[in-house]
Amino acid sequence: DAKTTQPPSMDCAEGRAANLPCNHSTISGNEYVYWYRQIHSQGPQYIIHGLKNNETNEMASLIITEDRKSSTLILPHATLRDTAVYYCIVRFSPGANSKLTFGKGITLSVRP
Amino acid sequence: NAGVTQTPKFQVLKTGQSMTLQCAQDMNHNSMYWYRQDPGMGLRLIYYSASEGTTDKGEVPNGYNVSRLNKREFSLRLESAAPSQTSVYFCASTLDRLAEAFFGQGTRLTVV
Repeated sequence: DAKTTQPPSMDCAEGRAANLPCNHSTISGNEYVYWYRQIHSQGPQYIIHGLKNNETNEMASLIITEDRKSSTLILPHATLRDTAVYYCIVRFSPGANSKLTFGKGITLSVRP
Repeated sequence: NAGVTQTPKFQVLKTGQSMTLQCAQDMNHNSMYWYRQDPGMGLRLIYYSASEGTTDKGEVPNGYNVSRLNKREFSLRLESAAPSQTSVYFCASTLDRLAEAFFGQGTRLTVV
């Protein structure tokens, strides 16, 4: 599975959009981008995933660049409860089940 | 539905003692995982099981053994606990290679 690179931390104001970047320059054509978050040492929680097209669900939007070498997770209206560590993961799809491997993630702090 | 259930939630061991961490999921998922998380660190994969009857090493398997008892249960055993194994342990499961992962709430293990 391709490696990902995320800045260690960022912050944003409550009510504003939080844009969390992720680089995955070695991603291959059949690898998906996944995002999870971990709030205060709880078990991680799935947010969203995508292959090529932008994706949106009730929690967030995922924007993947055309060359697929980077992506951005967007929380449109961040709240204090969104303060967490966010993990960007690239996961190989076809064939046997692949390992699900986490990096250090990015710590998002939402300020009042 | 309970999702992914880990037992125990907390445990203190003396160096050299053995114990088994239990994990069970009720979602009929195929793949199960064990991770450890040390303070300020991301999750590191210990072992995973892509399907019933198979197990594979992750990033940090030394000092651990696993058993995929059946489709529901995946246990992690520490044969001779060491202080370096003090950590929070998370179990996770996924239906298939593209599916989101569901995590348990963690087992906080201290080895003294």
